Amino acid sequence: AQTVTQSQPEMSVQEAETVTLSCTYDTSENNYYLFWYKQPPSRQMILVIRQEAYKQQNATENRFSVNFQKAAKSFSLKISDSQLGDTAMYFCAFRRNSGNTPLVFGKGTRLSVIA
Amino acid sequence: KAGVTQTPRYLIKTRGQQVTLSCSPISGHRSVSWYQQTPGQGLQFLFEYFSETQRNKGNFPGRFSGRQFSNSRSEMNVSTLELGDSALYLCASSLGRDVTYEQYFGPGTRLTVT
Repeated sequence: AQTVTQSQPEMSVQEAETVTLSCTYDTSENNYYLFWYKQPPSRQMILVIRQEAYKQQNATENRFSVNFQKAAKSFSLKISDSQLGDTAMYFCAFRRNSGNTPLVFGKGTRLSVIA
Repeated sequence: KAGVTQTPRYLIKTRGQQVTLSCSPISGHRSVSWYQQTPGQGLQFLFEYFSETQRNKGNFPGRFSGRQFSNSRSEMNVSTLELGDSALYLCASSLGRDVTYEQYFGPGTRLTVT
């Protein structure tokens, strides 16, 4: 079974600074996707960024980028130029690319952006 | 295009009662998944429906059940409620079942069992 671990329950960052959220996972699979989801206080979860395991290039979406280290089974999220609207719970998630299996989530990191 | 909607948004029930939660997916989406979110266990997968058939089931007792209708709307039911069932129940819809299809989440239903 796959497991996803987020070792930082809470983090804070000053507005306009950069912050990195950590995520490690355990799997024997070779073909999978990794995701970062954001859940703001309003509770609607939205996809921030995703990475296909076969792609060596790290995914980037505007101020959000990942550092994907497949051998180390590490998938960190970097938020640049942090904004107050980035305050949210961030969940790292794993999904196999076969068998139509569900998302497996980490426990989340609560990020607070401070003005 | 309207997003995923869930009703009701908040619910208070008593132990032993049963409850039905509803999820309306984005128009055209045929896959609906349900997740339970609690502070202790995090997000846990309940089940997935596609074309009115349950395709996947998580590790939850038989008190948790669901169904999907021909218009892709889905309901989940919890019978004989326990205090530990208090949680945020999220549903997510996607065009298809493949991992390449993004899952869109609803705002959730907050269930409190007293």
